[in-house]
Amino acid sequence: NAGVTQTPKFRILKIGQSMTLQCTQDMNHNYMYWYRQDPGMGLKLIYYSVGAGITDKGEVPNGYNVSRSTTEDFPLRLELAAPSQTSVYFCASSYSPGHTEAFFGQGTRLTVV
Amino acid sequence: GDSVTQMEGPVTLSEEAFLTINCTYTATGYPSLFWYVQYPGEGLQLLLKATKADDKGSNKGFEATYRKETTSFHLEKGSVQVSDSAVYFCALTYSGGGADGLTFGKGTHLIIQP
Repeated sequence: NAGVTQTPKFRILKIGQSMTLQCTQDMNHNYMYWYRQDPGMGLKLIYYSVGAGITDKGEVPNGYNVSRSTTEDFPLRLELAAPSQTSVYFCASSYSPGHTEAFFGQGTRLTVV
Repeated sequence: GDSVTQMEGPVTLSEEAFLTINCTYTATGYPSLFWYVQYPGEGLQLLLKATKADDKGSNKGFEATYRKETTSFHLEKGSVQVSDSAVYFCALTYSGGGADGLTFGKGTHLIIQP
């Protein structure tokens, strides 16, 4: 059972470039999330989805976009990358947010230069 | 809005010492509470959870009790090992429709010395 798989693991972008961070889960979870983790700041929610075709903004959505065309996939799109988007990005999924655990991917370390 | 406050790190202890990592929360409703652990280079893993007041979560020798009266969920372990070195996050979320993710504390870096 693979759980939550994120690709790539590392990426360096130039300012103004764009990219898509991929996230796939094989647990048939309806709830999926994207977080960013900055040093000493914990994790902040970027976007979340409660099922295929439904997405909503989290705490720090500016500069990002998401889509959820299938239950399994929840890609995160960065348009016009900026140095402030240098961070570690985690995708997570959950069956029932208040009762069961969230499963996290291993993260994508992104540097914008 | 909701928030989670946990003690600043790094926390450095010797092997077999007693561990407490404090966590308090501010919430508008009645959240579920979690401790997640992050080992170097990895994603977060659930350590334990409690879904209502007075519940005690436990796993791998770690314990935490959901204290509604003090809005706290302190993590404890009686005898730590070098392998417990990691970053620990306290978090909350809601059940029953509250799908907007976990609210995390800033994390506490724990270092256990042999």
